Amino acid sequence: GAGVSQSPSNKVTEKGKDVELRCDPISGHTALYWYRQSLGQGLEFLIYFQGNSAPDKSGLPSDRFSAERTGGSVSTLTIQRTQQEDSAVYLCASSSPRGGKTEAFFGQGTRLTVV
Amino acid sequence: QKEVEQDPGPLSVPEGAIVSLNCTYSNSAFQYFMWYRQYSRKGPELLMYTYSSGNKEDGRFTAQVDKSSKYISLFIRDSQPSDSATYLCAMTVSGNTPLVFGKGTRLSVIA
Repeated sequence: GAGVSQSPSNKVTEKGKDVELRCDPISGHTALYWYRQSLGQGLEFLIYFQGNSAPDKSGLPSDRFSAERTGGSVSTLTIQRTQQEDSAVYLCASSSPRGGKTEAFFGQGTRLTVV
Repeated sequence: QKEVEQDPGPLSVPEGAIVSLNCTYSNSAFQYFMWYRQYSRKGPELLMYTYSSGNKEDGRFTAQVDKSSKYISLFIRDSQPSDSATYLCAMTVSGNTPLVFGKGTRLSVIA
């Protein structure tokens, strides 16, 4: 597609339920990032996929968070047993770091509200 | 000390003013530097990208990097109300490492 696509754009869930957030990166981009942005805060790194390499999971806040990337394209971020502090905007970005280029292009985000 | 420091503002300027936004960083391994603009309830939009010390100009925007001082700036000339947004600096070590962001500076340009 023309840009990074995320779905759903908004998600309201009850505390304790699991949620799945989807990211479709720009076609051909080998790198994919997930970030979280809480109200009035900067972007908090969650996880990074690059090609076939093992993902960098160093930013995941707890074992309730996991992500996978199937076929080097679409990625799903899963939050199990959601808590109110998980409420935030979850942003996905992709890049094509060939030649050392690192510009990342973001989707519009999924606004998650845990009630 | 956070890896990337950015004054959150808010910064309010009159239309036509020159705006200066800044970030400092502590990791001397950072090699690639970006500025993003984020409108309310939207995803960040890439504005400027640079990987060397010095200035890079694109229209009304100039990105400046001083690696010796670990300091980057974004200048906006002839600021417009449409420039009102949050500006985020970001940087990374290589194409195989995640971006590290500042907290963002909220800018308002008043007509």
